Amino acid sequence: AQSVSQHNHHVILSEAASLELGCNYSYGGTVNLFWYVQYPGQHLQLLLKYFSGDPLVKGIKGFEAEFIKSKFSFNLRKPSVQWSDTAEYFCAPKIYNFNKFYFGSGTKLNVKP
Amino acid sequence: NAGVTQTPKFQVLKTGQSMTLQCAQDMNHNSMYWYRQDPGMGLRLIYYSASEGTTDKGEVPNGYNVSRLNKREFSLRLESAAPSQTSVYFCASRRGTSGSGTYEQYFGPGTRLTVT
Repeated sequence: AQSVSQHNHHVILSEAASLELGCNYSYGGTVNLFWYVQYPGQHLQLLLKYFSGDPLVKGIKGFEAEFIKSKFSFNLRKPSVQWSDTAEYFCAPKIYNFNKFYFGSGTKLNVKP
Repeated sequence: NAGVTQTPKFQVLKTGQSMTLQCAQDMNHNSMYWYRQDPGMGLRLIYYSASEGTTDKGEVPNGYNVSRLNKREFSLRLESAAPSQTSVYFCASRRGTSGSGTYEQYFGPGTRLTVT
C-alpha cells in the first residue's frame, strides 16, 4: 500500500508571504501526482497534476509543484499567497496503472489579510 | 453540466438505522469512487468502481456496501449505522477505467452524516 505524508498540518501566513507545503510518498515505482484544494464550504478541486516530463508543473492560481523522484516528494509552492488561498490542500499520489488515489491528511492554510 | 451531484447534503441517523447515499455524474465518466473525510485523516477510499457492473474495496470498506446502478450512478449504503461512521462522504468520478491516462478525479459537494 502507498503511504502519503503531509508534514504541515496547519500553516498560518500573512498575505504576500511565500508558501511551500511538503508531500512525501512511499511507493518506489511510477506514480502520478496530484494536488487538490478544498476552499471553505466547497468540494475538492484539482490544483495541478504531474504525469511525466518536466518535473516542475504549474497549476491554477499561480501554484506550482516540483516532483523530485529521488526524494519521493511533490512539494507545492506559491511565491506570494493571497487571503483567497485560505483552504485545505491535499496531496494525492496514484500508482501508475492502478485506479486508486491515496490522499494525504491535508494541510490547512490560513492566510491573514 | 452539473458534474457530480450527491444527495442528501446532510443526514442525521440513529445507531442501527440504515440509509443510502446517492451519487450521480453527467460527464460520461467510467470510474466512480466513495471517500470519507475525517478531521486530520484526509480522504480515505471506501469503495470504487472502474466501470458499470464492477466494484472494488478501498481502504475502509467495513460497514458499507455499494451499487453501480448504471454508468451514471454509484450509491453507498450503510446497513446498520454506527457512531464511528459519522463523517463527510464524498463521491468522485474519473474518465478512465484503468490506472493509466492523465485523468483526474472530479468531486461532488459531499454529504455530512451524523450518527447518534
